[in-house]
Amino acid sequence: AQSVAQPEDQVNVAEGNPLTVKCTYSVSGNPYLFWYVQYPNRGLQFLLKYITGDNLVKGSYGFEAEFNKSQTSFHLKKPSALVSDSALYFCAVREGGGATNKLIFGTGTLLAVQP
Amino acid sequence: EAGVAQSPRYKIIEKRQSVAFWCNPISGHATLYWYQQILGQGPKLLIQFQNNGVVDDSQLPKDRFSAERLKGVDSTLKIQPAKLEDSAVYLCASRPTGTSVYNEQFFGPGTRLTVL
Repeated sequence: AQSVAQPEDQVNVAEGNPLTVKCTYSVSGNPYLFWYVQYPNRGLQFLLKYITGDNLVKGSYGFEAEFNKSQTSFHLKKPSALVSDSALYFCAVREGGGATNKLIFGTGTLLAVQP
Repeated sequence: EAGVAQSPRYKIIEKRQSVAFWCNPISGHATLYWYQQILGQGPKLLIQFQNNGVVDDSQLPKDRFSAERLKGVDSTLKIQPAKLEDSAVYLCASRPTGTSVYNEQFFGPGTRLTVL
């Protein structure tokens, strides 16, 4: 079965500093990986995905993620954090084939950006 | 483009009572999902529909949970009777028709259920 792990419950960073939110995965076959963000009292919003191709994936709101096959990681990054980036971030992996397109989510990482 | 709509946004009930949630996906999206998100955890898939047919309901507690998607558009998720451990946010998501299965899902704002 596919799975993802987010080893940090919370990441604290000062505004303007670079941020990294970690994710590692365990899959059989090719990994299809996603990052979502959840703001308070709102649903999940898609940030970016890795399907194939370049290991550096660019997404919404200035976020990017680096796929590393040897380390089975898919860390989310941003060069300069904003206070408005403070939210709950989820890494996810697609499971299933054909019509089945189930996402398996990690436990989430709370990002707190201090002014 | 209007997003995924869900109602109600909040619901408080007592254990053993029944509750129903409603979801209206983005227009034209054939695939619809219901997820359960317990506090401190990531969302977990309960059921997936393709049009009005069930694709995956392997993690749906069928003794108390049921879902339907009549006419392949709106969907309802019901819990009867509710237990304390059902307290969670119930998220509905949809995915575009006729596109890659690797495309992202679009999520609604969720319904926060509290069972007392």
